Order: sequence, then structure tokens, then C-alpha cells
Amino acid sequence: DQQVKQNSPSLSVQEGRISILNCDYTNSMFDYFLWYKKYPAEGPTFLISISSIKDKNEDGRFTVFLNKSAKHLSLHIVPSQPGDSAVYFCAASVTGGYNKLIFGAGTRLAVHP
Amino acid sequence: DAGVIQSPRHEVTEMGQEVTLRCKPISGHDYLFWYRQTMMRGLELLIYFNNNVPIDDSGMPEDRFSAKMPNASFSTLKIQPSEPRDSAVYFCASSPLAGGPGDEQFFGPGTRLTVL
Repeated sequence: DQQVKQNSPSLSVQEGRISILNCDYTNSMFDYFLWYKKYPAEGPTFLISISSIKDKNEDGRFTVFLNKSAKHLSLHIVPSQPGDSAVYFCAASVTGGYNKLIFGAGTRLAVHP
Repeated sequence: DAGVIQSPRHEVTEMGQEVTLRCKPISGHDYLFWYRQTMMRGLELLIYFNNNVPIDDSGMPEDRFSAKMPNASFSTLKIQPSEPRDSAVYFCASSPLAGGPGDEQFFGPGTRLTVL
């Protein structure tokens, strides 16, 4: 039973355009959401997060949107750059859950010139 | 700080052999996590520790898998006997005590395990 789902295994975007990565979750107890980025042969690194009390969090070119009623979040990258090409993992946690994160399967983003 | 250190980076073994993966977390971090990444299932949490004590091992696939954390600076994940379906990239991550939910986890570079 996958509680966090990333239904698009891959996404291809042209440099300079917007990249939108999507994530759905089923557990209504989740109240904190994170995006991690992973380059080949490296471990995932934290990118951006959002608490369930917010619906948007922005950090430079990266913005995460949360729609609690739809149990859906998305990561927007504007403008996309070739260096953004990586696998992006969505993760969720529950307050008091001992920092336990539930990850999605990941979406591979390719940004081409 | 050198970050989370994992060894070996690559391991190739034959079915039935014992495999031991090692992890050194970031100094001062109280949580340690073991994950497995596969194409089919993505990033799965296997087990995690808080102050060297296993908190949740519900993700450990079967009894062939075991993990220990004898002290705050070292953890092992052992597979005995190994099977081809165990082939995956295994990540170790650590996280500080302070804060609340969603504290950032810092991942090591992973160990790519191939079981022939």
C-alpha cells in the first residue's frame, strides 16, 4: 500500500520552461511534506518542504504547492535548467512520527537545451 | 563534517553469501535510517534507530535482513543469505534530534549491491 505516490516516472522539459512534478498521498495524518533531489551515484538531498498549515512555500526557482483537500502536492521549477535534471522524490511525515519519512517512487526530470 | 559515510560503495556477491553494509552517521545526529532504492518500489524505509535503539523495523523485508547500531557512530545492515532480488542501492541517512516533524535527513552516497 503506497501512501505516497508519484505517478509520473519521468518528465522531459525544455530549458527555460516550467517543470511541474506531482505527488499524491493517501494518509490524511501526514502534516509535513518534503521534496528531495537525487543525482546519479549520489544520495538524495533535501530541496524544499511545506507544513500542512500552509498551501505554498517558495525558495528561489522552486515552489511547492499543497492542496490538502485533494491530498496533492506539486513542485514547480521556474525556469528549468539543465542542472535540474535529476530524480525528484516526494516524502511525507506525521508530527511525532520520529522523523519517519514515507517516500514516493520518484520522478526522473530531464531538462534539455 | 564529512557527511554520512557508507561502505562499501559497490558490492558484488553470489547468491547465498552474507553481505554487510556499513554506515557512519553525522556526528551528533540521533536518528539513523536505512533505505533501499529499487526501480519498482522507489525509496523504501527498512529500519530506523533513535539513540542507537531500533524504533521501527516494519520495513525489513524478511528475517534474512538484520540491522544493528552498537554505538552512536556506527551501524550495519546485514543480509544473510543474500538473494538476487536483494540487488538494489542501499542508503543510510541520519537526522538531528532537534526540531519536529520533517527534520531534514542527510543521506549517504549509497551502496550498490548486486547479488548474482
